[in-house]
Amino acid sequence: GAGVSQSPSNKVTEKGKDVELRCDPISGHTALYWYRQSLGQGLEFLIYFQGNSAPDKSGLPSDRFSAERTGGSVSTLTIQRTQQEDSAVYLCASSLAGPYGEAFFGQGTRLTVV
Amino acid sequence: DAKTTQPNSMESNEEEPVHLPCNHSTISGTDYIHWYRQLPSQGPEYVIHGLTSNVNNRMASLAIAEDRKSSTLILHRATLRDAAVYYCILSGNTPLVFGKGTRLSVIA
Repeated sequence: GAGVSQSPSNKVTEKGKDVELRCDPISGHTALYWYRQSLGQGLEFLIYFQGNSAPDKSGLPSDRFSAERTGGSVSTLTIQRTQQEDSAVYLCASSLAGPYGEAFFGQGTRLTVV
Repeated sequence: DAKTTQPNSMESNEEEPVHLPCNHSTISGTDYIHWYRQLPSQGPEYVIHGLTSNVNNRMASLAIAEDRKSSTLILHRATLRDAAVYYCILSGNTPLVFGKGTRLSVIA
């Protein structure tokens, strides 16, 4: 595809359930970011993958959150035992040159925990 | 630990230039200055970035102070579609971390 693709676009889940959010970055992009944005708030950095380096997990808010990137391409963000405060738009971005170049964002997954 | 300081909001008239300031007094020698914007109900989009020299592209210009402690994003002719939150971000070998940005309103 031409851009960063995220799925699903919307997800409603019950409190306590686990969810998986998927990000397909632009082909060849070595850097991949996850952010979340609560309603009316700014972007909160979650995790950053750069090539084969260990991911920067410094933004993950709790151990309920984890992410992996398989084969240097697709990434999955997993939230275990979801809470209502996890409701937000989760955005993924990829970049060819890591933090030195342009990052392209997907349209996000809107997660609602009820 | 915000590395940049931006005004919370600014207002501009349509078809006039807009100068969006950003202070980054603790910038290191390897930090790039990035600008992104987020239109309503959309993901952020890249605007421009630079290291030391001023930069121009089809969207905007970036003017970087000689001491690199501040920079200004210049939209040469604001349109209603430029109404967005503009983020100034420093990044060396670190991920892009967004602050609160400046909300730009454009008045017709």
